[in-house]
Amino acid sequence: DAGVIQSPRHEVTEMGQEVTLRCKPISGHDYLFWYRQTMMRGLELLIYFNNNVPIDDSGMPEDRFSAKMPNASFSTLKIQPSEPRDSAVYFCASSLQRTSDEQFFGPGTRLTVL
Amino acid sequence: SQQGEEDPQALSIQEGENATMNCSYKTSINNLQWYRQNSGRGLVHLILIRSNEREKHSGRLRVTLDTSKKSSSLLITASRAADTASYFCATDESNDYKLSFGAGTTVTVRA
Repeated sequence: DAGVIQSPRHEVTEMGQEVTLRCKPISGHDYLFWYRQTMMRGLELLIYFNNNVPIDDSGMPEDRFSAKMPNASFSTLKIQPSEPRDSAVYFCASSLQRTSDEQFFGPGTRLTVL
Repeated sequence: SQQGEEDPQALSIQEGENATMNCSYKTSINNLQWYRQNSGRGLVHLILIRSNEREKHSGRLRVTLDTSKKSSSLLITASRAADTASYFCATDESNDYKLSFGAGTTVTVRA
């Protein structure tokens, strides 16, 4: 298996623009997580899905953030409109059967909002 | 919010030496996990220890868990330059199975 795949790896955009990050989890994994990592706040859980259904989005910082998982092999995290403080590395991770199982992380998307 | 806190924040050792880092957490947990993150990469799972376990080994890694003190330690023996990375502990609280990651310990292994 190729592992968790994320695209793009780097994204540079201007304030106010819409940003869409993409993730393909490991096949057969029931759980998908979106994290954000910054120097100031560390690694934060934004939202997670179980069998394509959003379970907990309490970590989503604002209404500007939204996430979808239309099928078991694809998820998106959208920021609209983007702001400079959204600059961070965004990770997608998946796990087999439980949220507390070993999580497999993708390589991340480094987002820079100018 | 972060449940786990790693100590020290940074550690520099000579190749061949052992590296020890600690993690303290606040509430009862089901499991505690350790992850490694190389610069510019995603996190990689190293080891999981359950709340009813006290010690676990995996290769050159040794993890201990003391639930009475709400703390864990990760020992890397005979360190190598390739062990240079940040190490994070992650816990899932007993009534909330989401993982919460600490701020990490940055380990530098000098050749």
